Amino acid sequence: NAGVTQTPKFQVLKTGQSMTLQCAQDMNHNSMYWYRQDPGMGLRLIYYSASEGTTDKGEVPNGYNVSRLNKREFSLRLESAAPSQTSVYFCASSVPIGSIFGPGTRLLVL
Amino acid sequence: DQQVKQNSPSLSVQEGRISILNCDYTNSMFDYFLWYKKYPAEGPTFLISISSIKDKNEDGRFTVFLNKSAKHLSLHIVPSQPGDSAVYFCAASGSGTYKYIFGTGTRLKVLA
Repeated sequence: NAGVTQTPKFQVLKTGQSMTLQCAQDMNHNSMYWYRQDPGMGLRLIYYSASEGTTDKGEVPNGYNVSRLNKREFSLRLESAAPSQTSVYFCASSVPIGSIFGPGTRLLVL
Repeated sequence: DQQVKQNSPSLSVQEGRISILNCDYTNSMFDYFLWYKKYPAEGPTFLISISSIKDKNEDGRFTVFLNKSAKHLSLHIVPSQPGDSAVYFCAASGSGTYKYIFGTGTRLKVLA
């Protein structure tokens, strides 16, 4: 039981490049989330998926797309990376109370 | 507009004493509140929660208090231990939604 896994752990991109952050959970949870954490801003919700086949925007969705590939996997895509997207990205999945977070992906956009 | 606010960026407490972390919210539709703890280079971990039908929930050394009229909640840690040193986030959600809105976090340092 690995919980929530995220790949990659660290990535450097150039402005305009694209990439997909992967997230998987093996706990059979319905809800999954993507957050970004920035200094002084806390954790901000980018997108979430209440169940397989559904996705909804969070607080800061601009510049991102998501795919809920199946119940296990929820990916986050940056189509054209910008320096403002430099952040630590966390994926999470929900139990009835609280969420289980992955270890994070640190992204640097130059 | 920040719906969940943690106005103290940092807090230092002596080991063995009480730590009180505060959180305010503006959205009266929030009815479920959670606290998370985060160590550096790790994801947040769930600590304790409270529903709006309660005003207190206790789990070992951790107690969360909710004052709905003031739209305020607090996390009490008694006694504080050096291992409690971390960043603490409060989060809130509304009934029937799956969206959790987080505060900006408070960095707690427990001094030995």
